[in-house]
Amino acid sequence: QVQLKESGPGLVAPSQSLSITCTVSGFSLTSYGVHWVRQPPGKGLEWLGVIWAGGSTNYNSALMSRLSISKDNSKSQVFLKMNSLQTDDTAMYYCARANRYDPFDYWGQGTTLTVSS
Amino acid sequence: DIVMTQAAFSNPVTLGTSASISCRSSKSLLHSNGITYLYWYLQKPGQSPQLLIYQMSNLASGVPDRFSSSGSGTDFTLRISRVEAEDVGVYYCAQNLELPFTFGSGTKLEIK
Repeated sequence: QVQLKESGPGLVAPSQSLSITCTVSGFSLTSYGVHWVRQPPGKGLEWLGVIWAGGSTNYNSALMSRLSISKDNSKSQVFLKMNSLQTDDTAMYYCARANRYDPFDYWGQGTTLTVSS
Repeated sequence: DIVMTQAAFSNPVTLGTSASISCRSSKSLLHSNGITYLYWYLQKPGQSPQLLIYQMSNLASGVPDRFSSSGSGTDFTLRISRVEAEDVGVYYCAQNLELPFTFGSGTKLEIK
């Protein structure tokens, strides 16, 4: 069955960088895009960006200078990298599957990131 | 960017009765192909969001037919008939007509 699972560092100091991995199963990254969405504690959902099946990317313009999304199709993994972290980057980070005009039909369980010294 | 607007809380409803949740977009979500790219997601407490409705009015797989959705190009309503305890959570509308994809701020379903 389709599954997505995020893994990340949990705690990062301000101004540092982070890398979160989304490992997928039950589908191929050459057939589906994977999106990143985050949710600060007690707040709503914010779309961060996507890597499409063909490998091209799109980013939220508010964050694109700090974001990078890449993938390894052979390992079924998608990577989110963000630099210059601040406390307001503290959030639950989700990956979700969707092609261009499709809904996010499968989501990972999320990984919590806390930015704190 | 397309702004999606939702009220923070629904009108309180009694279990077994109907509930409505509204969403408004700052731009029509009707594509030239006739499809309206409006989605509804439910985030139950402590869980990831789950898809309820896609392309404004289509029920996602496994979603009870107590859920339905309708609307115009910019104004949308999610209806829940015979509300059950398992329906509690935050309901988000979202659009993917244009990048960046955007979500509403979420409406928490209030039970009396």
